Amino acid sequence: DAGVIQSPRHEVTEMGQEVTLRCKPISGHNSLFWYRQTMMRGLELLIYFNNNVPIDDSGMPEDRFSAKMPNASFSTLKIQPSEPRDSAVYFCASSSLGPYGYTFGSGTRLTVV
Amino acid sequence: GQQVMQIPQYQHVQEGEDFTTYCNSSTTLSNIQWYKQRPGGHPVFLIQLVKSGEVKKQKRLTFQFGEAKKNSSLHITATQTTDVGTYFCAGCNFGNEKLTFGTGTRLTIIP
Repeated sequence: DAGVIQSPRHEVTEMGQEVTLRCKPISGHNSLFWYRQTMMRGLELLIYFNNNVPIDDSGMPEDRFSAKMPNASFSTLKIQPSEPRDSAVYFCASSSLGPYGYTFGSGTRLTVV
Repeated sequence: GQQVMQIPQYQHVQEGEDFTTYCNSSTTLSNIQWYKQRPGGHPVFLIQLVKSGEVKKQKRLTFQFGEAKKNSSLHITATQTTDVGTYFCAGCNFGNEKLTFGTGTRLTIIP
């Protein structure tokens, strides 16, 4: 398995533009998580899905953020409109039941100028 | 909401010295996990602890879960340059599977 795949690896966009981050979880994993990492706030959980259903989106900072998981092999995190304070590394992770932890993707480094 | 704190925030050690990071949760946890993130990389799962007072070892790494299931520690014996990175604990509450990550301890090694 290629692991959790995220795209793009880097994204530079202008303030006000729409940004879409993509994630392909590990096949067979039934939970998917979106995290944001910054120096100031560390690793923050934004939203997680179980069997493609959003379970907890209490970490989504504002209505500008939305996430979808249309099927078991794909999820998106969208920011519209983007703002400079959204600059961060966004990680997607997936997991299955059992003591195996989360498997993280390589992340998307987002810079909003 | 739940908070997970780690100390120290930074640790610089000479190669060959030991290293310990401590993790404290504001709530009782169902389990605790540890992750390592290399500079520029992503968190990588190391281990999960479930039982009160549990101790697990992975080569030079020793993980402990406190009796009250609110704290944990990671100890590295005789550090090597490959141990460089940030070590995170992450706590899971009962009834759900979302992890709250600690603040992390960044380890640097002086060769």
